[in-house]
This record gives sequence, C-alpha cells and structure tokens, in this order.
Amino acid sequence: QKEVEQNSGPLSVPEGAIASLNCTYSDRGSQSFFWYRQYSGKSPELIMFIYSNGDKEDGRFTAQLNKASQYVSLLIRDSQPSDSATYLCASELYNQGGKLIFGQGTELSVKP
Amino acid sequence: GAVVSQHPSRVICKSGTSVKIECRSLDFQATTMFWYRQFPKQSLMLMATSNEGSKATYEQGVEKDKFLINHASLTLSTLTVTSAHPEDSSFYICSARAVNYGYTFGSGTRLTVV
Repeated sequence: QKEVEQNSGPLSVPEGAIASLNCTYSDRGSQSFFWYRQYSGKSPELIMFIYSNGDKEDGRFTAQLNKASQYVSLLIRDSQPSDSATYLCASELYNQGGKLIFGQGTELSVKP
Repeated sequence: GAVVSQHPSRVICKSGTSVKIECRSLDFQATTMFWYRQFPKQSLMLMATSNEGSKATYEQGVEKDKFLINHASLTLSTLTVTSAHPEDSSFYICSARAVNYGYTFGSGTRLTVV
C-alpha cells in the first residue's frame, strides 16, 4: 500500500464550479499534510498545509483533515482555467526526519 | 520569503559522464535538504535526505554510489549523478527545510542523458 494515495484523474470541472481533490494516507504517525500545485515542467508550489482536524480556509481554497479516517481533501471554489494543473498531496513523517511523502497527484482541468 | 536556488535548470550530457546539480538556500539556513526525482506523469519520489555535515540518508532502491549528495554547509547541497545513463533522465528537485520556513522547493533541473 502506498503511503499517500490520490486519484490520478484527470478531473474535469467547468469554470466557476467547485473542484474536490481527495487524498488518503496510511501512516497514523503523520501529523501535517500539504497541498501543492504543479504546472507541467515546473516545481511544486505550496497551496496550504493543515495539521488539525477540521477545515482550514485560505481564499478560494479549503483543506479538510479527518485523522480518524486518514483522509485529507482540498476544495477549490470558483475554479478558474488557471487552476488547471496537477495537485499533489503530501504527508510529513515526523518520525522519519520530517520528510515529505507525496501522492501520485491529481490532474485537474478547468474548462472555460 | 524563503528562496531556494537550483542550478542548472536544464542539462544535457553524454552517457557515462557525471552531472552536478546545486541547491542553495538564499536567505535562510536549511537544516535539512531533500532530493526528489520525478519521471513524466509521475509524482515526486524522495531519493535522499541530507543534514548539514553528515552523510545523506538514501531511500530504498536509490544507489548511494551513483547519486552522490554533499551537504557541506547550511546553505548548499549538491547532487552528483555519476556515470549517467539515459534511464537517469528525469526532473530532479531539491527541497530545503528550516524552522519557521517549512519546506521550500528549488525550481528543478531537467536532466537529459544522450
């Protein structure tokens, strides 16, 4: 079992809709979770991180964490074509030097 | 904000030669640096973790004699791909971690071995 799993997609949503991206993790020792956006050929850009159960909002983005279910999600409201990218979920393993383990990424396409 | 400079951004080398990739934290001291590799349409795979002044810790399946990592100072880590072969062609990305700055990624290096 992979440590961090995501649906690879592609996920296609119309402009203005809500995009929902999901991620599950296997290591219960994971404390913090990160969402990155990666455009083709570029390095990942941090969108937000979360470490407490519940929701965390930042502009059009909301991260949700449910530690009991080992589930993390990212909602993008009012999706724009410029949001089209691959979204990477990562968990931080404190007991392994704090390294980030990435999921395989979900490709999002926002259609005008 | 924290900036990590990675060079070169692109490199083409002949099979059998070695390539060095540099990763510098410009305005902070990175206690830990991570090196990732990403093949097309795949996610970032952690290759190794390095702490300043100590030997790197390699992930399972990564050849430490082929991918030499040096972290001689708190602001510089290098990855040397020795005797590169076409299957080593990939996108290599470094990440620096520091207290108060979290994880900051370099811009990546596209390596093509011909």
